[in-house]
Amino acid sequence: KAGVTQTPRYLIKTRGQQVTLSCSPISGHRSVSWYQQTPGQGLQFLFEYFSETQRNKGNFPGRFSGRQFSNSRSEMNVSTLELGDSALYLCASTKQGTFNSPLHFGNGTRLTVT
Amino acid sequence: SQQGEEDPQALSIQEGENATMNCSYKTSINNLQWYRQNSGRGLVHLILIRSNEREKHSGRLRVTLDTSKKSSSLLITASRAADTASYFCATDGNQAGTALIFGKGTTLSVSS
Repeated sequence: KAGVTQTPRYLIKTRGQQVTLSCSPISGHRSVSWYQQTPGQGLQFLFEYFSETQRNKGNFPGRFSGRQFSNSRSEMNVSTLELGDSALYLCASTKQGTFNSPLHFGNGTRLTVT
Repeated sequence: SQQGEEDPQALSIQEGENATMNCSYKTSINNLQWYRQNSGRGLVHLILIRSNEREKHSGRLRVTLDTSKKSSSLLITASRAADTASYFCATDGNQAGTALIFGKGTTLSVSS
């Protein structure tokens, strides 16, 4: 069974630009969660999508948004990029959601904002 | 916040030794999970322990949970160089629909 796939693997953007990251969950998994990982803040929860609906949202500004498609693939978008948005963005999937279930992570997208 | 906090932040040991990492959290939980992350990669799930369980084993891994102290420990026995990684605990809220929140991790270095 294929794992969680995130594309692209690396991305370099300039301040003020916007970026879209993609996540394909494990086949049959309907929940996709997104996390931002930085050395200073660690892993911070962004949001969770389940069956195309945002079920949970972390404490991030409105510049961070996401969506999920009918095939469970998910995208997250960051608009008006800031230097502090440089991070490893991880997505994770589960069958029904994060309650009582382990998360299956992709290898992340490394975003560098210059 | 229900975020777990690992202790120590960093740990260096020799191959063959045991490694113990601790996690403390603040609110009641339904379960606690441990994950491993190799440098620059995604996290890999190790063990999930429910709030009504006290100990769980998986190969060379042993996890304990003390809900009265709101703490958990991860023991890796007979460590190998390949165990070098960061280890994170994660806690959920005590109800469905809450996100899994991660601590900042323990970085383990095993030298041969």
